Amino acid sequence: EAQVTQNPRYLITVTGKKLTVTCSQNMNHEYMSWYRQDPGLGLRQIYYSMNVEVTDKGDVPEGYKVSRKEKRNFPLILESPSPNQTSLYFCASSDPGSYGYTFGSGTRLTVV
Amino acid sequence: DAKTTQPPSMDCAEGRAANLPCNHSTISGNEYVYWYRQIHSQGPQYIIHGLKNNETNEMASLIITEDRKSSTLILPHATLRDTAVYYCIVSHAGGTSYGKLTFGQGTILTVHP
Repeated sequence: EAQVTQNPRYLITVTGKKLTVTCSQNMNHEYMSWYRQDPGLGLRQIYYSMNVEVTDKGDVPEGYKVSRKEKRNFPLILESPSPNQTSLYFCASSDPGSYGYTFGSGTRLTVV
Repeated sequence: DAKTTQPPSMDCAEGRAANLPCNHSTISGNEYVYWYRQIHSQGPQYIIHGLKNNETNEMASLIITEDRKSSTLILPHATLRDTAVYYCIVSHAGGTSYGKLTFGQGTILTVHP
């Protein structure tokens, strides 16, 4: 089944403890992206990647890092999480041959 | 990317057609209109997209006005499972800004029994 898989689904962590949220897609898509969703602010793009080793900032990149060493994987790294990064995170993938984006099921992150 | 305007909420009776409007008066010639929906806190789901012709798939129909300044998503026979937030998005489908989706607040569609 074509899908975008995020892990973990839920995560509670403490301020300053580095964490990684993984994202993997099995559709050979070139384009991958991370979004965060907050009440009243909607979905906002954090980072995106046009292909392997090509990444760029979205609208809210501060406090996040990404890497794209393989086409299928696009992890989101929080080097020093803070409470304002408590949010619902979505990974998505697409490419010119696909119809729209495919989103993952989301990762609900709480930083205390 | 062009900005979109949608009503914050709409109601629809089960079995009836749901018509969700969207204004995108500043859309440029190479921008597509996309529709997604999000059920509860699940990942957004792609519904349909179009450039200037009307489009139909197994989920919905998309009607784009001739001047491309507005569009309507039609769910022909709404069910309770169609209750969701519907997002109308205008985006490039190619070039350096390929793939970026800017989500607005969307329309909360509630389908009633």
